[in-house]
Amino acid sequence: KQEVTQIPAALSVPEGENLVLNCSFTDSAIYNLQWFRQDPGKGLTSLLLIQSSQREQTSGRLNASLDKSSGRSTLYIAASQPGDSATYLCAVAPTQGGSEKLVFGKGTKLTVNP
Amino acid sequence: DAGVIQSPRHEVTEMGQEVTLRCKPISGHDYLFWYRQTMMRGLELLIYFNNNVPIDDSGMPEDRFSAKMPNASFSTLKIQPSEPRDSAVYFCASSPLTGTGVFNEQFFGPGTRLTVL
Repeated sequence: KQEVTQIPAALSVPEGENLVLNCSFTDSAIYNLQWFRQDPGKGLTSLLLIQSSQREQTSGRLNASLDKSSGRSTLYIAASQPGDSATYLCAVAPTQGGSEKLVFGKGTKLTVNP
Repeated sequence: DAGVIQSPRHEVTEMGQEVTLRCKPISGHDYLFWYRQTMMRGLELLIYFNNNVPIDDSGMPEDRFSAKMPNASFSTLKIQPSEPRDSAVYFCASSPLTGTGVFNEQFFGPGTRLTVL
């Protein structure tokens, strides 16, 4: 059974710092991995999607990498801002049992202090 | 596009009452998903539809839960009777179908916060 783990559960950094969020998954048989952002009381917003054949994806100050063989992904946020404060979740789409069935981690709650 | 629309945004009800949550997916999306989020268990997939047909309901916790998708623009998740342990945030998401069959990204609604007293 696929399991997704995100460490740390919470992270607090000063504004301007570069930071890395980690995601690990137990089964490397995935179609893709997706990073989401969730603001308090809001739904999830898709940030980046990495297909299994890709190594990384970039969007603005965000860069996500994928190492499928080791079951790891990282989300790098450059020059963090208070507006980046949110919970970040990663999810994998497994090749077994239906690729539409995303398996989510429990997220990392990020606080960027001004 | 307005994105995925859910209603109500908040629902407070008493144990034993019937609860109906509603979702309008993004136009043109072929997949619709219902999730539940709690602090203890995180985000869990309850059921999903493809072209209005339920594909996998293995995540539905009990027979008290049911979901329907009568047409491409509307879905409901019903809990009857509701219990306090059903208190959670329920999300609806939709996703387009890709010709290659490779899973595409999901777009989430704002969620319905359900409190069962």
